[in-house]
Amino acid sequence: AQTVTQSQPEMSVQEAETVTLSCTYDTSESDYYLFWYKQPPSRQMILVIRQEAYKQQNATENRFSVNFQKAAKSFSLKISDSQLGDAAMYFCAYSAAQGGSEKLVFGKGTKLTVNP
Amino acid sequence: EAGVAQSPRYKIIEKRQSVAFWCNPISGHATLYWYQQILGQGPKLLIQFQNNGVVDDSQLPKDRFSAERLKGVDSTLKIQPAKLEDSAVYLCASSFYYEQYFGPGTRLTVT
Repeated sequence: AQTVTQSQPEMSVQEAETVTLSCTYDTSESDYYLFWYKQPPSRQMILVIRQEAYKQQNATENRFSVNFQKAAKSFSLKISDSQLGDAAMYFCAYSAAQGGSEKLVFGKGTKLTVNP
Repeated sequence: EAGVAQSPRYKIIEKRQSVAFWCNPISGHATLYWYQQILGQGPKLLIQFQNNGVVDDSQLPKDRFSAERLKGVDSTLKIQPAKLEDSAVYLCASSFYYEQYFGPGTRLTVT
């Protein structure tokens, strides 16, 4: 079974600085997707960034970028120029690319605090 | 484009009572998911529908939980009877391809 591990229950960063959230996963599949979701307090989960495992190039979305290391099964999220609105729970998630079940397997999350 | 709608947003019930949650996915999304998110944890899949057929319900406690998706659109999730450990946020999501869009969730408190 696939598992996703986020080893940092909490992280903090100063406004305008850079922070990296860690994620490792375990799978025997060669083709899959990885995601970072953001869940602000009492608000709904939104997709931050996604990575297709077959792509070697790391995904980037504005201030958000990932470091995808397929051999190491590592998928970290870097947030540059942190803003107060980035404060939230961040979940790393895995989805198989085949088999008819695209369910997301989530890690336990990392709570990010942004200090002014 | 309207997002995933869920109701109610909050529900408080006593143990052994029953409760139902409703979800309306994004128009055109064939796949619908129900996740359970216990406080301090990541969401866990309860059931996945493709149109009105069940794809995966391996983690659904079938002795007390049931779900249906009539006509391949709206879905309801029911718990009967509820237990204290069912206190959680129940998230509905829908997808067209591999990207899932989440609703605001229903926060259930069982006392």
